[in-house]
Amino acid sequence: GAVVSQHPSRVICKSGTSVKIECRSLDFQATTMFWYRQFPKKSLMLMATSNEGSKATYEQGVEKDKFLINHASLTLSTLTVTSAHPEDSSFYICSAYVPQDRGNTEAFFGQGTRLTVV
Amino acid sequence: KQEVTQIPAALSVPEGENLVLNCSFTDSAIYNLQWFRQDPGKGLTSLLLIQSSQREQTSGRLNASLDKSSGRSTLYIAASQPGDSATYLCAVRRAAGNKLTFGGGTRVLVKP
Repeated sequence: GAVVSQHPSRVICKSGTSVKIECRSLDFQATTMFWYRQFPKKSLMLMATSNEGSKATYEQGVEKDKFLINHASLTLSTLTVTSAHPEDSSFYICSAYVPQDRGNTEAFFGQGTRLTVV
Repeated sequence: KQEVTQIPAALSVPEGENLVLNCSFTDSAIYNLQWFRQDPGKGLTSLLLIQSSQREQTSGRLNASLDKSSGRSTLYIAASQPGDSATYLCAVRRAAGNKLTFGGGTRVLVKP
């Protein structure tokens, strides 16, 4: 299957600092990527849809200014957690679809990033 | 609003037994349904993708069925192994480029 790479896999940061998480589609171009947050023993919660060359679409209740998303190229989307607080500690996962011309638009996920804010 | 439910939330079976995982969704107007596996602290691995026009998909010991009219999908894992222990998630999509709506997952433990 297609490969979506997410970096870093783990990060610890101090409260008040910002952290950037990268999501790359390695062998296909993705005009749309998705960012999820997952709490312990819970399912995935969609945070926002990242669109290449345009503004991201955020889900209700997700703070745009806290979770900055940039999708500057067809293979890279970034999520920046700004002024991080301990309650932002979580597991963040990105996803991208393989385009229709390559098949059935199957969704592939990155490895996830464990963010701990101390 | 689409809602996806997975029952049971947790399942423990002895090695060798067949696994049956259930997924139900409230809106039958789906584009496709996907089953994923998630190991602790890891991302999601795609297992099977079923298009709305399909009834089932198979890959090795895995078989997934889809009954769109009744809003149900079932994932069968034959002859379970301890390495099958993980959380299994199903997700549906309404249209080609749309977001996925996930179920809560089923945590599976296969005992040696």
